[in-house]
Amino acid sequence: DTEVTQTPKHLVMGMTNKKSLKCEQHMGHRAMYWYKQKAKKPPELMFVYSYEKLSINESVPSRFSPECPNSSLLNLHLHALQPEDSALYLCASSQGFTRSSYEQYFGPGTRLTVT
Amino acid sequence: LAKTTQPISMDSYEGQEVNITCSHNNIATNDYITWYQQFPSQGPRFIIQGYKTKVTNEVASLFIPADRKSSTLSLPRVSLSDTAVYYCLVGDADTNAGKSTFGDGTTLTVKP
Repeated sequence: DTEVTQTPKHLVMGMTNKKSLKCEQHMGHRAMYWYKQKAKKPPELMFVYSYEKLSINESVPSRFSPECPNSSLLNLHLHALQPEDSALYLCASSQGFTRSSYEQYFGPGTRLTVT
Repeated sequence: LAKTTQPISMDSYEGQEVNITCSHNNIATNDYITWYQQFPSQGPRFIIQGYKTKVTNEVASLFIPADRKSSTLSLPRVSLSDTAVYYCLVGDADTNAGKSTFGDGTTLTVKP
């Protein structure tokens, strides 16, 4: 199974809402990632988890809160977002922090719209 | 992380071979070169990775000259379904703790 799943596929939320994005993989990968992608732009790294510990936070605003409950699951909690946070949010996983970490498996993404 | 430069867009026709070049003048000794493909509204898909010379898999070939300051992704006999954005990444995951930076990518359009 080489699949990364993400739920929901689409999410519309108001600026005062709290919501969560979920990501799951069953490949035994120990590194997991959150990316944000705006239209016609490349993915931008947000967070990296290694062995369930946060290893990189790319100066992401605190209204985005990541969580890694176990080695297969990655959540992104959203609160008080702004309209400019509307984007495609991508989750990815890889075996670890060797050259293979650049062989990442991406999920289909969650299309987020903030109103 | 080494900065990468790719052409913004390329056009091709079905059945042709397509070569997309990525420049990475500041590549470090331990850096690997990785290419991804992305279709609209989907996550990127890993295509190929290499360190030097030539790497080939069932999808593509990757050519890396001796100075490693550039690399070329070669797609043999493209079809309409190869229309996508192609990204080149350069980095050493051990040093960068998994951090990666996608370049601006090359939009390949395959015409019938």
